[in-house]
This record gives sequence, structure tokens and C-alpha cells, in this order.
Amino acid sequence: DTGVSQDPRHKITKRGQNVTFRCDPISEHNRLYWYRQTLGQGPEFLTYFQNEAQLEKSRLLSDRFSAERPKGSFSTLEIQRTEQGDSAMYLCASSLDRGTYNEQFFGPGTRLTVL
Amino acid sequence: AQSVTQPDIHITVSEGASLELRCNYSYGATPYLFWYVQSPGQGLQLLLKYFSGDTLVQGIKGFEAEFKRSQSSFNLRKPSVHWSDAAEYFCALTGGGNKLTFGTGTQLKVEL
Repeated sequence: DTGVSQDPRHKITKRGQNVTFRCDPISEHNRLYWYRQTLGQGPEFLTYFQNEAQLEKSRLLSDRFSAERPKGSFSTLEIQRTEQGDSAMYLCASSLDRGTYNEQFFGPGTRLTVL
Repeated sequence: AQSVTQPDIHITVSEGASLELRCNYSYGATPYLFWYVQSPGQGLQLLLKYFSGDTLVQGIKGFEAEFKRSQSSFNLRKPSVHWSDAAEYFCALTGGGNKLTFGTGTQLKVEL
């Protein structure tokens, strides 16, 4: 299976710790997206990359959050000084830019619990 | 601003019964509309999408949805529900082909 993969699938951390999540997109996809999904809500857009360039960031992405895609392949999402409100499912998606709508394929997510 | 509303948080249907999940949107033009399904431990799977043209679109797993511009709706339907359809369903839209805006989801329970 060559779908989108995310690692780890689950992360439990204590408040104030830093965490980093990884996303590996479908190999030929040049766009990569991060979303956050809290309990009882739909996913909310955080940021997206076209190749290695970060083109848009939501205001949900506070200064404690940083995302990178250094070589235009995998991406990392780091949260510094985690807070209990950061507990959520973090979803990654990728797509191939075809000029109009680009269907996004989602990974299984990383569930973060901040104690 | 764009938004998606799914008025039903939970729906319970009997296996074999028909299903309709409601979705209303707000957007300044005609958006691209989608329905996704999410099962526990699984990622979001695309059921179907509407871009333009025929307002009745067919998707996977026997689902269909109808775009009604006058009602700003994109309701999901299935004529006969199977127990394996129990999951959470999300309606979503995009205007510019980048970020998706999702509704809050409808949790479907299927009674045997």
C-alpha cells in the first residue's frame, strides 16, 4: 500500500513537552496538508506545502507550531511547550497539483494526548 | 467566509433502510463539494465529489449526493444501508482547490 503514512499513530505527552509528528505523502504528490481534528469536530485546516514551500498557514497555527517539508517529500509538524488544548488528532493529506481541484488523500492521523 | 453545516450530529437507521445525511454550505460562488467517511482508526476516505455539471453524483459503496444550488445543499443518500456503513460522515467544500472546510460530522449508527 503506497498511501499517506503518519508516525507515530499515538502520542501521549506531558504538558510543556515538545512533540514532533511525521507525514510521508504519496510519492508523486507535490502538495501536502496538515489538519487538526478535535473531539466532535470536523478537521480544521492548519497549513499546506507546495513542494518545499509553505504557502498558507491558518491562524490556528500559533507560534508554538512549526511545520517543515525540507526536501519536498516528507513533512514534520512540531508543537513546542504542549498544552492540554493541543490534544487532538493531527491529519496529514497529500495531493497532486493538476491545476483545478486536487483530490486530497488522507493518512490515518496521529492522536495526541497532552496530560 | 465559507462554512459547512451538518445539522444532524447522530443518526440511527435500521439495516436495509434508506439513508439521507444533510449538508448545507455557505460560499460566495459554486464550490467544490465532497463527502468523506471516517471509520475508527482509519483516515478519511472520499465517497464522492461535485465539481460541476450533473447535479446528481454517484460515489463509491452505493452512495450518491445531489447538489441543489437554490437550497445551498449537498445531501448524501443511500437506498439501503449495510451494517458496515456505520461510521462518521463529513461534508466538505473548497473554493480555490486548496484547503478543505469541513462540517462537524454526522455519526451514523446502523441497527441490525
